[in-house]
Amino acid sequence: GAGVSQSPSNKVTEKGKDVELRCDPISGHTALYWYRQSLGQGLEFLIYFQGNSAPDKSGLPSDRFSAERTGGSVSTLTIQRTQQEDSAVYLCASSLVGSYNEQFFGPGTRLTVL
Amino acid sequence: SQQGEEDPQALSIQEGENATMNCSYKTSINNLQWYRQNSGRGLVHLILIRSNEREKHSGRLRVTLDTSKKSSSLLITASRAADTASYFCAPLSIQGAQKLVFGQGTRLTINP
Repeated sequence: GAGVSQSPSNKVTEKGKDVELRCDPISGHTALYWYRQSLGQGLEFLIYFQGNSAPDKSGLPSDRFSAERTGGSVSTLTIQRTQQEDSAVYLCASSLVGSYNEQFFGPGTRLTVL
Repeated sequence: SQQGEEDPQALSIQEGENATMNCSYKTSINNLQWYRQNSGRGLVHLILIRSNEREKHSGRLRVTLDTSKKSSSLLITASRAADTASYFCAPLSIQGAQKLVFGQGTRLTINP
């Protein structure tokens, strides 16, 4: 079947604008993760969904960041009033629930805030 | 911290040679996973080794785990140009969201 998909693949926005990033996980994967990776940096955890609930939001850097997941499938990460330091590649991953299994990553969304 | 630390930071070898990368961590783990990231940004899961396993093979990959030393190694045999990438280890704790925490990784370059 299809892997994890993300859209858009690239997003250029102006400082202060809001952006929405979308993730379609693998069908049947109830766990969904958002990460971001800044240039030359490691992977930074943002938020974890189990079904539609988010038991771990500890990685969201500020209240400008929010995420939701509906129907236990698609997730949207919203960044309000974007800042230049928000520029990064935003990666989504999904995995089977509660199994410590591998996480399957999407291709990411490269966000550039001018 | 759950983060794994990869060593060396960079490794450059000739095609056909073997490449060994190491990972050290600090917490108690349920399993440890290795991932590869190409320059094109895609992150791919390579192999998972559970805490009660000592060695695991997958194709040209061999992973070892020493929980007493809190360390793991990834061996790539008969390297190919396509193996050029950054490699990350991710120790997964017994509790929590099983979120991946990567270090800086090992940047592997295979020279033709």
